[in-house]
Amino acid sequence: DSGVTQTPKHLITATGQRVTLRCSPRSGDLSVYWYQQSLDQGLQFLIQYYNGEERAKGNILERFSAQQFPDLHSELNLSSLELGDSALYFCASSAQTGREKLFFGSGTQLSVL
Amino acid sequence: AQTVTQSQPEMSVQEAETVTLSCTYDTSESDYYLFWYKQPPSRQMILVIRQEAYKQQNATENRFSVNFQKAAKSFSLKISDSQLGDAAMYFCAYTMPGTYKYIFGTGTRLKVLA
Repeated sequence: DSGVTQTPKHLITATGQRVTLRCSPRSGDLSVYWYQQSLDQGLQFLIQYYNGEERAKGNILERFSAQQFPDLHSELNLSSLELGDSALYFCASSAQTGREKLFFGSGTQLSVL
Repeated sequence: AQTVTQSQPEMSVQEAETVTLSCTYDTSESDYYLFWYKQPPSRQMILVIRQEAYKQQNATENRFSVNFQKAAKSFSLKISDSQLGDAAMYFCAYTMPGTYKYIFGTGTRLKVLA
């Protein structure tokens, strides 16, 4: 168990809909990262927060947004969903930026039908 | 910009044999960290090994070891006595202090043959 909690584990929705993925980082970790992994693909970095502030942005679509709350949990909002958004979305946390390993959650499998 | 390259999309190894997965990276920094992550069919990301660039000694974790060649910017993973449970996708990753990005390679799928 990595200590990172992601909910829900599975999400099935329709095109055009909006969903929210939730992540609770490991206790004490201030950094939260979001990654997208399409089937048999690598990890695409979406966005990163440190102690409530956005610090890095990757290939995140304008239809996607995220935030980190004062209690350090984070939410990734995906709107106007398309078939191509179907993927495994990982949240990860770390104690220090750029030194320590990432602790990954078990992911949210999103299926857009 | 920093990049991580895994040139072997797929590798196979016989059970109990040794296999080496390749990873190269590009950076102009001297202080950075490298990782190998394993993703089994469950799709959970599991850290295999971590290497600090300023340490010349190669990291080792049981049957897993790395060959870190800083000048060549190479970071290969050696798996000894391969087991069926080693079958997974393996990702190489890079980060450096003070940054907010962990850069992952495209992965190598390892098949272990009984």
